[in-house]
Amino acid sequence: DAKTTQPNSMESNEEEPVHLPCNHSTISGTDYIHWYRQLPSQGPEYVIHGLTSNVNNRMASLAIAEDRKSSTLILHRATLRDAAVYYCIPITGNQFYFGTGTSLTVIP
Amino acid sequence: DGGITQSPKYLFRKEGQNVTLSCEQNLNHDAMYWYRQDPGQGLRLIYYSQIVNDFQKGDIAEGYSVSREKKESFPLTVTSAQKNPTAFYLCASSISARGIYGYTFGSGTRLTVV
Repeated sequence: DAKTTQPNSMESNEEEPVHLPCNHSTISGTDYIHWYRQLPSQGPEYVIHGLTSNVNNRMASLAIAEDRKSSTLILHRATLRDAAVYYCIPITGNQFYFGTGTSLTVIP
Repeated sequence: DGGITQSPKYLFRKEGQNVTLSCEQNLNHDAMYWYRQDPGQGLRLIYYSQIVNDFQKGDIAEGYSVSREKKESFPLTVTSAQKNPTAFYLCASSISARGIYGYTFGSGTRLTVV
């Protein structure tokens, strides 16, 4: 299974962009890169996923390095509701493994 | 709206008791999963099921049991053999066993041993 490395915590001011990095240097060619976020005492929520190309949706953008060994989740304007733990997960097959993620604090 | 329903939200268990956590989905997903989360930790896989009447052990299956008699339901039983069951339990599902399409999670059950 591909292993990931994420910062334990990050801070951002409200309404500023946030770039959450993830290293996944052992990723295989068929692993999709998924991002989820988890609010306290709730289940993780899907944010975005991609394979090779950069991806955008209403929640965020995902920038994937050309060698696919790293990716960056971009929140264009952080809000207080974006304060959560963000997990980067390479997924292939039928199992996935969450690390401890990045705890994002949004400062009003 | 489609989704996953976990019940109860909070559950208290006495020492030596078995308890069953419910997980129901109306997404028509083939695969379902149970995870355990301890404070400040990531999720650890307990069991998963790719199709009805079939399931496989995950990394920490000891002391737990599951069944998959219906596509919509994947209940988890925490047995008395599980020595440290106090944790947050999450159920998830995916369209197929290949999870490239993403996963949907329930809102979790917090189990406490009293």
